[in-house]
Parts: sequence; C-alpha cells; structure tokens
Amino acid sequence: DTAVSQTPKYLVTQMGNDKSIKCEQNLGHDTMYWYKQDSKKFLKIMFSYNNKELIINETVPNRFSPKSPDKAHLNLHINSLELGDSAVYFCASSQNPLVSGGEQFFGPGTRLTVL
Amino acid sequence: KNEVEQSPQNLTAQEGEFITINCSYSVGISALHWLQQHPGGGIVSLFMLSSGKKKHGRLIATINIQEKHSSLHITASHPRDSAVYICAVGLGNQFYFGTGTSLTVIP
Repeated sequence: DTAVSQTPKYLVTQMGNDKSIKCEQNLGHDTMYWYKQDSKKFLKIMFSYNNKELIINETVPNRFSPKSPDKAHLNLHINSLELGDSAVYFCASSQNPLVSGGEQFFGPGTRLTVL
Repeated sequence: KNEVEQSPQNLTAQEGEFITINCSYSVGISALHWLQQHPGGGIVSLFMLSSGKKKHGRLIATINIQEKHSSLHITASHPRDSAVYICAVGLGNQFYFGTGTSLTVIP
C-alpha cells in the first residue's frame, strides 16, 4: 500500500507548456504539501494546504498553483514552464499542520525536465 | 544565510563507526525534523522532535532548544545507512531545510 503517491514519476516537456503533477495520500491526513528539490539537492517548501487553507511560500511564482479536489489529493499545476522549473517535485502529507509539528510522509517524487 | 545549517556536508565512515551529524538553526521553531533521502531519491522522515531525545533502533536524535542545535547519531553504522540526511525546522506554516549531509559507510 503506497501511502503518498505521485504521478507521473518522470515528466519531460517543452518550455511554455502547461503541465500537472498529481498527488494522492491514503493516510487520512489533513495537511498536504508540495516541495521542490533543485539540481543542488536543496529542498524548499512551495505550498501547504490544510482544511482548504492554502499557505504559499512567497518565493513561488504564480505560474504554480495547487488544486485540491478533496482532502486526499493535492495536484500541482504549472503554467508556461521555464527551464528553471526543472527539478524534482515532492508531495508530502501530515496529520497535523506544520505549526503543530507535522511529521511528514513523502511521495516518491516527480522529476520534471523542461527542454 | 540559510536558516538551517548542517555539518559536515560530506562524511565517509567505516562500517561500525559511531556517526554524528549536526544541525544548527537561527529561528524559533515548533519542531525539528530529521529526514533521510535514499540514493534512489525517496525521502523518509526519521524523527520529529521539539525537546530532549528520541531513539529508534540505531538512530538517536537530540535537540537543545536553548542552543538552537540538534544532533543525529548513528551507532554501529552500516553500508545501508549511506544516504543524505537532512535537518528541517518548522516555524509557523513555514518549513526550512538544511543543505543535507551526504553519508557514505564503507564496508
């Protein structure tokens, strides 16, 4: 049983395209996250989503938008892809929000390559 | 300057050695997390702590809130411990990561 799953695992696309990455968790958690890991392996939080409250990292371009159809899913939409968007994107979930501690469970990651 | 600093950046050890990885942070936190990223890329949460010490198998994590410092210890290290260990701190709704410590344990 996969706790946090992401699709696709790999995504190769051209600059300017719009793409989505899907994330699903079957842990019954209330909070979900998106993280970006750059080429230097540095991780950065992009969004957290809890009970319809979206917390955005102010450094994230507005071309990135999370969409949550229900509590178990948090998809990441990216418009007008740029070369600098190439990275590994991780989805995660936690029972409690970060402000309360929030032990994280990570998905396997999606490697996005923009050509 | 990063809110979370880790040392060392790279560490090579012989199998069986006792290993310590350090993490210092500059902000007030709600919790500190230690994560392990496997060579294949997957990330696993090892510990979440806000005070004191936690132990899981051969891994021990400690935190000193006053000094804003945490350590991750691995006893009797094994080649399967080879991974990147990442310290992260939660502050409100933000989450800050260290740059990671790449550990290689040689048989």
